[in-house]
Amino acid sequence: SQQGEEDPQALSIQEGENATMNCSYKTSINNLQWYRQNSGRGLVHLILIRSNEREKHSGRLRVTLDTSKKSSSLLITASRAADTASYFCATDAGRGAGNMLTFGGGTRLMVKP
Amino acid sequence: GAVVSQHPSWVICKSGTSVKIECRSLDFQATTMFWYRQFPKQSLMLMATSNEGSKATYEQGVEKDKFLINHASLTLSTLTVTSAHPEDSSFYICSASRQEQYFGPGTRLTVT
Repeated sequence: SQQGEEDPQALSIQEGENATMNCSYKTSINNLQWYRQNSGRGLVHLILIRSNEREKHSGRLRVTLDTSKKSSSLLITASRAADTASYFCATDAGRGAGNMLTFGGGTRLMVKP
Repeated sequence: GAVVSQHPSWVICKSGTSVKIECRSLDFQATTMFWYRQFPKQSLMLMATSNEGSKATYEQGVEKDKFLINHASLTLSTLTVTSAHPEDSSFYICSASRQEQYFGPGTRLTVT
């Protein structure tokens, strides 16, 4: 079952603008990860933030984590048309074997050139 | 490193037939592999956890007799969709775990 929700479900912006996606989850976690998926393709791992971290950067990506609110955000700055994809958060709650992940509902981002 | 492959990448089969999907970790050994299903415009839903040398653990609502999982070695897990029906048409994604999960490219199954 899904851990939580992502907001918004769909986002359409112009190239150059920033895109912010939010993810909420329900249980305590070890870490939270963000993935990108182009239509009909596999997942690309973007960034992992641990439960004791509050913010992490990677290139044009900025991820925040608020464990008190059980929420995370992904910010993509200076968006490009190539950023058009679906973005998913996934939580590792330490459940089961092998770092089991539970995915959020995803945000479909469209960046218009 | 940490490459996971899936085969086939897409498959079309007739209703009532069975289809086998392979998931391989190419450059590492994975004691645990996961199988997900993704319907169009939806998120990934975990179907089962596959452990090498033991029975798979299925998520609630997933029929173990319909979705047969075999994890025969540390680098190979297979998912067999038995007696496939059109509603089984979906994108099936596997992942292999080595400290973190590494995802395969997915298999598009279409049942006609």
